[in-house]
Amino acid sequence: DAEITQSPRHKITETGRQVTLACHQTWNHNNMFWYRQDLGHGLRLIHYSYGVQDTNKGEVSDGYSVSRSNTEDLPLTLESAASSQTSVYFCASSAQLGTGELFFGEGSRLTVL
Amino acid sequence: KQEVTQIPAALSVPEGENLVLNCSFTDSAIYNLQWFRQDPGKGLTSLLLIQSSQREQTSGRLNASLDKSSGRSTLYIAASQPGDSATYLCAVINAGGTSYGKLTFGQGTILTVHP
Repeated sequence: DAEITQSPRHKITETGRQVTLACHQTWNHNNMFWYRQDLGHGLRLIHYSYGVQDTNKGEVSDGYSVSRSNTEDLPLTLESAASSQTSVYFCASSAQLGTGELFFGEGSRLTVL
Repeated sequence: KQEVTQIPAALSVPEGENLVLNCSFTDSAIYNLQWFRQDPGKGLTSLLLIQSSQREQTSGRLNASLDKSSGRSTLYIAASQPGDSATYLCAVINAGGTSYGKLTFGQGTILTVHP
């Protein structure tokens, strides 16, 4: 079955370190998204991509970057991790922009000490 | 800016009861509305997707309705079971402005069904 996988599922890092969270989907979806989920804030969009070589900033993009070199992967990089970036991160994908159903990965829990 | 509100924030019901979760949104320029379920420590599982041209969708004991003009959706769960306990999130895919094609989520309703 097609799926969307995230790794690592749990990570602890120190302030200032670079961290990359991986997202891989096997649906061949063009559209991929990264969200963070925090108590009191719900799910907020970090970055998104509508296809290879396309990346866009979401509402909370500061301190994060993404790259899209192929259809399957959208890695999220924290250039210099901060304690405020402790969160649960979710990757999602959809086939059709706007009308397509969104599918989520299981999440990556990141703790920045 | 699109805002999505879910009421109630938490709900506790006895097993077997029928229940309704509410979702409202401020901008009616949407492509669709999607209901998700999230279990503790897990990702989001899609329950129902309603296109903006539709009024409702059904899947098993779940029925979701959409009134786009009034900015409201309801998720009806029939004959609730303890296994339905989870957080339920609604999200709209925006059709206008700078939010085009992106989801805006509500804060969720935490549902507990006790035996």
